[in-house]
Amino acid sequence: QKEVEQDPGPLSVPEGAIVSLNCTYSNSAFQYFMWYRQYSRKGPELLMYTYSSGNKEDGRFTAQVDKSSKYISLFIRDSQPSDSATYLCAIKGGGSNYKLTFGKGTLLTVNP
Amino acid sequence: DGGITQSPKYLFRKEGQNVTLSCEQNLNHDAMYWYRQDPGQGLRLIYYSQIVNDFQKGDIAEGYSVSREKKESFPLTVTSAQKNPTAFYLCASSIIGATGANVLTFGAGSRLTVL
Repeated sequence: QKEVEQDPGPLSVPEGAIVSLNCTYSNSAFQYFMWYRQYSRKGPELLMYTYSSGNKEDGRFTAQVDKSSKYISLFIRDSQPSDSATYLCAIKGGGSNYKLTFGKGTLLTVNP
Repeated sequence: DGGITQSPKYLFRKEGQNVTLSCEQNLNHDAMYWYRQDPGQGLRLIYYSQIVNDFQKGDIAEGYSVSREKKESFPLTVTSAQKNPTAFYLCASSIIGATGANVLTFGAGSRLTVL
């Protein structure tokens, strides 16, 4: 079983839709959960990161972590064409373990 | 503005040639990383360095080499021993702490194509 699983899509939605992006993970030692957004031919940029189970909101974006199910989600409300990108989840263990484990990314297209 | 500069943005190489990708950061970050990104594969760690003059292999180090002579710089050499070097290469940096999220800041990437 891979450490992090992410459906690569592609996912295509109309403008204004609510988008749900998801990752599952296998290692219960993971403690930090991040979402990166990557536009075509660019480097990833951090959208959000969370530490605990529950929800964290930032504008139209909500990150949700369910440690009991080993499941993380990113919700995008009122999606815009500018949200069209690849979304990568990244997960890290605790302590001094530096390593991030990335999902393969989900390609999202928001159609005007 | 603080950030990470990767160069060149696009690079073409003939088989059997070594090439070096540049990565410079002015964020005063301690740690630097090189990732490779292929379609459908996600990001795979090649090398990382937490301090000057020290670096460690990541998951796919074979055919690559790095150096860390300055805190700001972490160049990656793709050698002729790398059998499938065509890919998008991403450099990243982070603040090293004993605990914490280890949030990475990425450069814009370098796309290497072997002809």
